[in-house]
Amino acid sequence: EAGVTQFPSHSVIEKGQTVTLRCDPISGHDNLYWYRRVMGKEIKFLLHFVKESKQDESGMPNNRFLAERTGGTYSTLKVQPAELEDSGVYFCASSQLGTGVLHEQFFGPGTRLTVL
Amino acid sequence: AQTVTQSQPEMSVQEAETVTLSCTYDTSENNYYLFWYKQPPSRQMILVIRQEAYKQQNATENRFSVNFQKAAKSFSLKISDSQLGDTAMYFCAFTAYYSGAGSYQLTFGKGTKLSVIP
Repeated sequence: EAGVTQFPSHSVIEKGQTVTLRCDPISGHDNLYWYRRVMGKEIKFLLHFVKESKQDESGMPNNRFLAERTGGTYSTLKVQPAELEDSGVYFCASSQLGTGVLHEQFFGPGTRLTVL
Repeated sequence: AQTVTQSQPEMSVQEAETVTLSCTYDTSENNYYLFWYKQPPSRQMILVIRQEAYKQQNATENRFSVNFQKAAKSFSLKISDSQLGDTAMYFCAFTAYYSGAGSYQLTFGKGTKLSVIP
């Protein structure tokens, strides 16, 4: 069974540019989460999809971040325009829908974003 | 708001020895769940062990066990018979069911980098 995949693994962009990160969850997983780890700090929750719907986007830092999950399969996270403080590792995780937390969140390898 | 604190940024242990990683948390929730995740170098984060707060018995998974002290809000991870493959970043994490959001978002500590020395 394929795990959670993320693309690209690493992205280096200039301040002001746009970047789109992609996450492919495990097949059949309706829950999809985005997290971010800024250097030296905790991994922070960004948002949660249930199928194609945004269940909780309380962690999104500002309106420069736009997440989508068309068709309830893969998800994209677009940063436009990117700022220096957006640098960090962006993780995606997926889990089954059902009895909630007992369904483990499976993490992808992350996308390391560097904004220069 | 929930917080998770890991006070040991880095630790090392000799192969075959035992090591304990510390984690404390703060919450006003009564029903919650605690996790230890492991991220080996250049690899994906995986779940090591989980504990439901309503269970008094400490969780155990092979060489990994926890010491869950609910009153003290402490959740330490003990790794016995450490192996080279245990070298990784270890994250302590917390979640509760936030009914308003309907989400099981995880709250993480900053992590502890564990090195197992041959």
